[in-house]
Amino acid sequence: SAVISQKPSRDICQRGTSLTIQCQVDSQVTMMFWYRQQPGQSLTLIATANQGSEATYESGFVIDKFPISRPNLTFSTLTVSNMSPEDSSIYLCSVRQGVNTGELFFGEGSRLTVL
Amino acid sequence: GENVEQHPSTLSVQEGDSAVIKCTYSDSASNYFPWYKQELGKRPQLIIDIRSNVGEKKDQRIAVTLNKTAKHFSLHITETQPEDSAVYFCAATDSWGKLQFGAGTQVVVTP
Repeated sequence: SAVISQKPSRDICQRGTSLTIQCQVDSQVTMMFWYRQQPGQSLTLIATANQGSEATYESGFVIDKFPISRPNLTFSTLTVSNMSPEDSSIYLCSVRQGVNTGELFFGEGSRLTVL
Repeated sequence: GENVEQHPSTLSVQEGDSAVIKCTYSDSASNYFPWYKQELGKRPQLIIDIRSNVGEKKDQRIAVTLNKTAKHFSLHITETQPEDSAVYFCAATDSWGKLQFGAGTQVVVTP
């Protein structure tokens, strides 16, 4: 299974600021995803991070609010821009190692609190 | 797109009893159905999964069944133990191969 490191693990942020979350995987992976988990809720897919091209966003999420980079097959970043208290959530990086392999591995998550 | 519904939202069981969680999905093209366990403050972890060409799969005290015709699948935990207490999520792949998750079930196993 892939080992996924996320930074920061948690942060407290001020309204209107932006924060970038980093995701590092110990092996090359085809597919990387970013999920959001609001307090007491399920996991909602934000976007698929595509290596070498723009991320593909799910309905309700836009690039201006959640810009994503994927410079290579082991690394991705998610930025939460112009934060408001409603952005307080856990953000999880996840990877699938093969195109046809269903299993999704998750990072530990980044818990953001916006004041 | 895919819509996954999960029931119940909470489940309390006595230690040693069985627990059953049920999910339905909407996309008939879905072909992969994993179950994740999330303990408080931790990441979701895969506990069992099933593909659409299989009707049932078992791993020790955990089993999953799939009814493709009815578009529902279930998680069965037998001989529950306190360490089974967690939130369980079902999921299904949509037509793009992305996982959509159910709302989750809080399982509490009381000694």
